Amino acid sequence: QSVLTQPPSASGTPGQRVTLSCSGSSSNIGSNAVNWYQQVPRTAPKLLMYDNSQRPSGVPDRFSGSKSGTSASLAISGLQSDDEADYFCAAWDVSLNGLLFGGGTQLTVL
Amino acid sequence: EVQLVESGGGLVKPGGSLRLSCAASGLTFSNALMTWVRQGPGMGLQWVGRIRSKSDGGTADYAAAVKARFTISRDDSQNTLYLQITGLETEDTAVYYCHTGPDYWGQGTLVTVSS
Repeated sequence: QSVLTQPPSASGTPGQRVTLSCSGSSSNIGSNAVNWYQQVPRTAPKLLMYDNSQRPSGVPDRFSGSKSGTSASLAISGLQSDDEADYFCAAWDVSLNGLLFGGGTQLTVL
Repeated sequence: EVQLVESGGGLVKPGGSLRLSCAASGLTFSNALMTWVRQGPGMGLQWVGRIRSKSDGGTADYAAAVKARFTISRDDSQNTLYLQITGLETEDTAVYYCHTGPDYWGQGTLVTVSS
């Protein structure tokens, strides 16, 4: 059971905006930055967002991240079929002295 | 171009041992913080641990669940990262990825623990 909680699934139609959530605690999200990873099945994860809201080079500005208190969110606007993937949040936990991943949200584009 | 190539996975019986390798190229490996992440079948990502560069002390941190059985090491002369696993359990069945910042991943190596 992940300490970072993500809804297991989400869906949207092309062009829609969807928001994925990640809930943690004061020892992880509340203390440290959140990264988001996108993973297409059977491939390595890809960094989508770092330091809560920073996009790596090459990530479209349709993706945006935010953090408030012990929760973080990843928003995807103008949803495309290529966005269908699993999305994981991650944050360092100061109590565990380790990196935590959320359980992941499987995004389906209807 | 940074490349990370894992090897050493396979089918192992419970209680067995295995050493995974990650060969790195295209980066100054000796300066890199290196990490292992695993993913069980149909499961999410799980951080296994990391090892600092020698200049940052060369020490390793581990997830609590694996600390007693996993050892991360590095050979900077060979640009290679290692993960030694002992006392393998069925729950260790996973694809093991090596990773370094900002976003370089290997293709993963599959470890299957089964009798």
